[in-house]
Amino acid sequence: KAGVTQTPRYLIKTRGQQVTLSCSPISGHRSVSWYQQTPGQGLQFLFEYFSETQRNKGNFPGRFSGRQFSNSRSEMNVSTLELGDSALYLCASSPLTSGGIQETQYFGPGTRLLVL
Amino acid sequence: GDSVTQMEGPVTLSEEAFLTINCTYTATGYPSLFWYVQYPGEGLQLLLKATKADDKGSNKGFEATYRKETTSFHLEKGSVQVSDSAVYFCALSMNTGGFKTIFGAGTRLFVKA
Repeated sequence: KAGVTQTPRYLIKTRGQQVTLSCSPISGHRSVSWYQQTPGQGLQFLFEYFSETQRNKGNFPGRFSGRQFSNSRSEMNVSTLELGDSALYLCASSPLTSGGIQETQYFGPGTRLLVL
Repeated sequence: GDSVTQMEGPVTLSEEAFLTINCTYTATGYPSLFWYVQYPGEGLQLLLKATKADDKGSNKGFEATYRKETTSFHLEKGSVQVSDSAVYFCALSMNTGGFKTIFGAGTRLFVKA
């Protein structure tokens, strides 16, 4: 099975611009989560999607948004970029379980965003 | 709120030494607990997991036991190798109508030959 893919891998933007990152989960995985990784804050949860619905959201401003499509692919968008948004953005997919327990998350390689 | 605290690194050990990386958590419910590892130049991957109290997760010689009474999930390995050099992340996952995973800050391990 192909792993989680993220595009683009690297991105340079300037303050005030917006950016859209894409994630394709492992085939059959319907839960997709997004994380921001920075040296100072570590790995922080952004949001989780399942069947095109955002089920959970971390403590990020409304400039961070996302969506999931019917094929489980997901995008996240950051509007009005700030210098502090420079980070590695990770996407992870997870299979559905019947017991309500999250199975292993499979992470993509990430998109490294640099805001100048 | 929910949180994960793990020991600060870096941790430097000689090959074949015993490894312990401490991890404690705070959660309002009954989370699943995970250790993820990030090898140099590679993505984050699951090392082991435990989904209920007293469960022991194990993989590649690493072990961790879900201790509800002490809210801990310490990672151990009896004899580390140079190839174990990586960053290790402790994490908890809660089902609150959707999944939310909280990660610890990560502990960098260096193993010397």
